[in-house]
Amino acid sequence: EPEVTQTPSHQVTQMGQEVILRCVPISNHLYFYWYRQILGQKVEFLVSFYNNEISEKSEIFDDQFSVERPDGSNFTLKIRSTKLEDSAMYFCASSIRDGIDTQYFGPGTRLTVL
Amino acid sequence: AQSVTQPDIHITVSEGASLELRCNYSYGATPYLFWYVQSPGQGLQLLLKYFSGDTLVQGIKGFEAEFKRSQSSFNLRKPSVHWSDAAEYFCAVHGQNFVFGPGTRLSVLP
Repeated sequence: EPEVTQTPSHQVTQMGQEVILRCVPISNHLYFYWYRQILGQKVEFLVSFYNNEISEKSEIFDDQFSVERPDGSNFTLKIRSTKLEDSAMYFCASSIRDGIDTQYFGPGTRLTVL
Repeated sequence: AQSVTQPDIHITVSEGASLELRCNYSYGATPYLFWYVQSPGQGLQLLLKYFSGDTLVQGIKGFEAEFKRSQSSFNLRKPSVHWSDAAEYFCAVHGQNFVFGPGTRLSVLP
């Protein structure tokens, strides 16, 4: 069964550094998403992406965040200058149609900012 | 604004016992409703979803959920819990955007 994959599984970085989290959505999906889950807290929506542009974003997704689909398969989340509070689990998801369709989640990338 | 509450932070049941996890939502119209499960160190797996039609929906792993409009609820049930069901369960709502509840941690006693 096709699945969403994410790399790396765990990323450790120093505060102020840039990180790029990578996701490979399911191949025939058209809508892509990033979510964040701070340890012990609920999953929070960050951004949705369709047709090479952001379709929706939350207040968490400020100017230090950006997303890109650099080629036909990858979907990336960049954090320009990481802060301690960016430490979290980041989940990528994809769906065939718009957001009301089933979103399939990847296993997540655990980001630790020191 | 839409919101999701899961009143139970942690539930412990014995293996073989029945289970009900509560979910309440707030939204002006009928939203689309989901239950996801997250095993330790794993991603989120969809258990079931409700878009329209029959208010009792069946999902994977023997789970079911019932949408009750009058109570703004979408409770998850399983008649007989297995030890492998121990995990975190998230109710989610899609109205204007996708919102997750805070989660309920399920522990299963042998």
